Amino acid sequence: GNSVTQMEGPVTLSEEAFLTINCTYTATGYPSLFWYVQYPGEGLQLLLKATKADDKGSNKGFEATYRKETTSFHLEKGSVQVSDSAVYFCALSSYGGSQGNLIFGKGTKLSVKP
Amino acid sequence: DGGITQSPKYLFRKEGQNVTLSCEQNLNHDAMYWYRQDPGQGLRLIYYSQIVNDFQKGDIAEGYSVSREKKESFPLTVTSAQKNPTAFYLCASSTGEKNIQYFGAGTRLSVL
Repeated sequence: GNSVTQMEGPVTLSEEAFLTINCTYTATGYPSLFWYVQYPGEGLQLLLKATKADDKGSNKGFEATYRKETTSFHLEKGSVQVSDSAVYFCALSSYGGSQGNLIFGKGTKLSVKP
Repeated sequence: DGGITQSPKYLFRKEGQNVTLSCEQNLNHDAMYWYRQDPGQGLRLIYYSQIVNDFQKGDIAEGYSVSREKKESFPLTVTSAQKNPTAFYLCASSTGEKNIQYFGAGTRLSVL
């Protein structure tokens, strides 16, 4: 079945450091891929998306490229800020199936220290 | 402002009690979802509804029930059969396009 695996946290970085959170997936067909962010005590917000191979999603300085050959969708940011501290979820949607639902990774907690 | 409203923000359940979590959206989305989130876990799908008066079980539906009588509303009942209900519950909705889902702020349920 479809699944998402993302690196375990927590990840602790100093402000202005480079961020990479790894995400790999297993899916049939051609899924869409997403990164969601959850700030403490809140729901999830869509951070970025990519709907086909080689697409690059970007938002708020974050980027991720849909790599079909390596089945990956790693999240990167060149210079993190304290306000980026949150839990990040990688997800896929294989809407060719009957459910069309999102399948989430377990989340990676990021803490950025000043 | 359009969005998804979940209420209450915090809820406490007594032993043997059924409780209902509210989810309302004014985004005119057809599809709505309920997820459960436990510490250190991803989101697990409880129920979803693609259209009014129809809903489907997700991966962990046992001990939960839903209804979808109106497009805007998708309440979740946590029944007494759910033996471990303590969790953070998230409601989402979607137009179906690329299955981008929009989430509410969540309800935290605890057992007294």
